[in-house]
Amino acid sequence: EVQLVESGGGLVQPGRSLRLSCAASGFTFDDYAMHWVRQAPGKGLEWVSGISWNSGSIGYADSVKGRFTISRDNAKNSLYLQMNSLRAEDTALYYCAKDMAPATAGAFDIWGQGTMVTVSS
Amino acid sequence: QSALTQPASVSGSPGQSITISCTGTSSDVGGYNYVSWYQQHPGKAPKLMIYEVSNRPSGVPDRFSGSKSGNTASLTISGLQAEDEADYYCSSYTSSSTLEGVFGGGTKLTVL
Repeated sequence: EVQLVESGGGLVQPGRSLRLSCAASGFTFDDYAMHWVRQAPGKGLEWVSGISWNSGSIGYADSVKGRFTISRDNAKNSLYLQMNSLRAEDTALYYCAKDMAPATAGAFDIWGQGTMVTVSS
Repeated sequence: QSALTQPASVSGSPGQSITISCTGTSSDVGGYNYVSWYQQHPGKAPKLMIYEVSNRPSGVPDRFSGSKSGNTASLTISGLQAEDEADYYCSSYTSSSTLEGVFGGGTKLTVL
């Protein structure tokens, strides 16, 4: 079964850090780009960051540039998001999503169920 | 990286057709054929409905179709059904120098 399972979310104080993980199974992980997409409570989807199949191409939304770092470990079929200097506006459900191609942000055909990040003192 | 522009809401009666627009710029929607559409029911993860402007993934009914003209993409749902009531989001690739994407603000579809 094709599956993405996120973990690592939780309650964190402003200014602190958190690392999200996404475990992939059921497909050849290193054939595809991967992304993080978030959704604040009651709001729409926001693309956060993406990484190509070989980590050669990486992109970030302006809202997280310089604070978040995406990475992947193809040997472990895993995607990560290191989030530093967290702000209240980073509070959201964070989804891991698989791209249909190796090096684009073109179409996200597989999604996890999300992990909730709450930034609050 | 400005969000793509979608209408906040659309509505239609069962059996009717509706169209949701998604307006961007020549740097995203108009510059690439990597426009996709997602359906999201409350409390659920998004589901891919259309990719590369007009292609349907396996399992998506042919009542769903996509198109693009210039900087505006469109999702059309024909023969509306009650289960089509959901939020719909468009997305586009927006950079080839780095790997970047952008979503629209979302459209709430109400089936009357």
